[in-house]
Amino acid sequence: DGGITQSPKYLFRKEGQNVTLSCEQNLNHDAMYWYRQDPGQGLRLIYYSQIVNDFQKGDIAEGYSVSREKKESFPLTVTSAQKNPTAFYLCASMKRGLAGGPIAGELFFGEGSRLTVL
Amino acid sequence: AQSVAQPEDQVNVAEGNPLTVKCTYSVSGNPYLFWYVQYPNRGLQFLLKYITGDNLVKGSYGFEAEFNKSQTSFHLKKPSALVSDSALYFCAVRDPGGNTGFQKLVFGTGTRLLVSP
Repeated sequence: DGGITQSPKYLFRKEGQNVTLSCEQNLNHDAMYWYRQDPGQGLRLIYYSQIVNDFQKGDIAEGYSVSREKKESFPLTVTSAQKNPTAFYLCASMKRGLAGGPIAGELFFGEGSRLTVL
Repeated sequence: AQSVAQPEDQVNVAEGNPLTVKCTYSVSGNPYLFWYVQYPNRGLQFLLKYITGDNLVKGSYGFEAEFNKSQTSFHLKKPSALVSDSALYFCAVRDPGGNTGFQKLVFGTGTRLLVSP
């Protein structure tokens, strides 16, 4: 079955450590996204990528880094510079439809990774 | 900038009763609107979307949404609620990405729906 796989599902980190969250998709989608979810704040966009070796900062990119070396993979690193990293992280992908086309805009989500800083 | 607002943090409804979860939007240009549902500790699942055409959009699990241009609203509805509908619901709007043409979704803060037996 096609889909998005995020790992690990739960992760604990000590302050000052970097951690990397994995996101893999086999949907052959061009665009991939990382969102952060906090209670009462909805989803906020961290980084997004529309093509291999290209990515753009979202609304809350500080303290995070990404890479897009393969179409299927878009890992997110939470660095020690992120001041409040405890959150639920969601990876998503979108088939890059034509602007205005009927398939444009539907995001497919992974199951999420919950990061807790101890 | 494109945005959506979900004015209710929580909606309570009894099983079998109709439910409405509210969403209003602010966009430049034509709105592309979406509803997603999230169960505890899970990712978001797509319910339905409005791109163009009929103002009443039908989606998964018996949900539908009514697009109202004059009121800039896109409320989610279901004629008869189930206990299993209890979840967190997100409204979203497409941001077409300006000069880059690279679209992304902007989400509301979410509304928790509680359906009591």
